[in-house]
Amino acid sequence: QLQLQESGPGLVKPSETLSLACTVSGGSISSPNYYWGWIRQPPGKGLEWIGSIYYSGSTHYNPSLKSRVTISIDTSKNQFSLRLSSVTAADTAIYYCARLPRVSEWYFDLWGRGTLVTVSS
Amino acid sequence: DIQMTQSPSSLSASVGDRITITCRASQSISIYLNWYQQKPGKAPKLLIYGASSLQSGVPSRFSGSGSGTDFTLTIGSLQPEDFATYFCQQSDSAPLTFGGGTKVEIK
Repeated sequence: QLQLQESGPGLVKPSETLSLACTVSGGSISSPNYYWGWIRQPPGKGLEWIGSIYYSGSTHYNPSLKSRVTISIDTSKNQFSLRLSSVTAADTAIYYCARLPRVSEWYFDLWGRGTLVTVSS
Repeated sequence: DIQMTQSPSSLSASVGDRITITCRASQSISIYLNWYQQKPGKAPKLLIYGASSLQSGVPSRFSGSGSGTDFTLTIGSLQPEDFATYFCQQSDSAPLTFGGGTKVEIK
């Protein structure tokens, strides 16, 4: 059964770059049937889509974060990554990686467990 | 961006109750509306996609309806494991956006 697992530092200093990876196990990230995405949730608050990537490297970003976000994919490692630059306390959140079937409905059908990233000096 | 507004923000109900949660989009999104359930400390779980299609493995007491700007999630007979927060998400156009959530609590 396919699983996603986020990894990366739980604490990042203000103005620095947040870097997370999502490792996909039990299936191939190179499947043409899926996109892969990042979503975040500040503690106790709602969900925000950050962006998504296809195995070809094609990306879609939330315009509100686009200037600071880079999502990349490494098919040899079965992994995709998130980089968010110039972080502030407002970027403190649980970060989830998720799978999106390549269909018109664009929903997230499988999620990682999430990882809390705190921005603090 | 398309704004998604859920109501109520919270509700109290008893086991066996039928409940309905509403999600309204700031503009028409056809049927591109998805519903998720989130329990404390867990990732969201997909319940409904395309406004009314039940995700595999989700109990049939969950149902979705609507099109355009107004959508509903109905739980036919609330079970103890259904007490959670529910989110809607539009997928008509980027950026994908979520509603603020509806917390379903035990009365």
